[in-house]
Amino acid sequence: GNSVTQMEGPVTLSEEAFLTINCTYTATGYPSLFWYVQYPGEGLQLLLKATKADDKGSNKGFEATYRKETTSFHLEKGSVQVSDSAVYFCALSEDAGGTSYGKLTFGQGTILTVHP
Amino acid sequence: EAQVTQNPRYLITVTGKKLTVTCSQNMNHEYMSWYRQDPGLGLRQIYYSMNVEVTDKGDVPEGYKVSRKEKRNFPLILESPSPNQTSLYFCASSSRVGDGGPTGELFFGEGSRLTVL
Repeated sequence: GNSVTQMEGPVTLSEEAFLTINCTYTATGYPSLFWYVQYPGEGLQLLLKATKADDKGSNKGFEATYRKETTSFHLEKGSVQVSDSAVYFCALSEDAGGTSYGKLTFGQGTILTVHP
Repeated sequence: EAQVTQNPRYLITVTGKKLTVTCSQNMNHEYMSWYRQDPGLGLRQIYYSMNVEVTDKGDVPEGYKVSRKEKRNFPLILESPSPNQTSLYFCASSSRVGDGGPTGELFFGEGSRLTVL
């Protein structure tokens, strides 16, 4: 079945540091890939997505590129802020068209803490 | 404001005492789903619904029931809660891709933290 593996956390950085959170996946078809973010006390919200190989998703200074050859979708940000402290989830969705119902499979989440 | 509302947000109960966690969305979404979040395990899907009166099991359905009598509501029912159901629960909704599955952009509620003693 499908699976998503994220780098072990937690990750602790100083403000303005460079961030990478690794994500690799296993899927039988051609999934869409997502990063969700969960701020303290809130539900998850979509951060960015990519629907096909070599697509780059970006939002709020975060970027991730869909790499089919390495089955990866690593999240990066050039300069993190204290307000980026949250839990980040990588996820994949089977093809949402046709007969597949497009279930989202989540990774285990990576806790990011940014200090001033 | 577009939102998914869950109640209660926090609940402490005892083994065997039936409880219901309500979920309501105001976005006219067809697809709704329940997840539980446990440390180190990420989010695991409990049940989902593609439309009114259409529900199906997710990855961890044991001990849970759901119903979808109206499009906006998708309650999660624990008939006889046990301590291993202590968890953080999230309801989510999404529009669908034509007659297919959800779009992948799920809208989540704020979560319901349940403790079963």
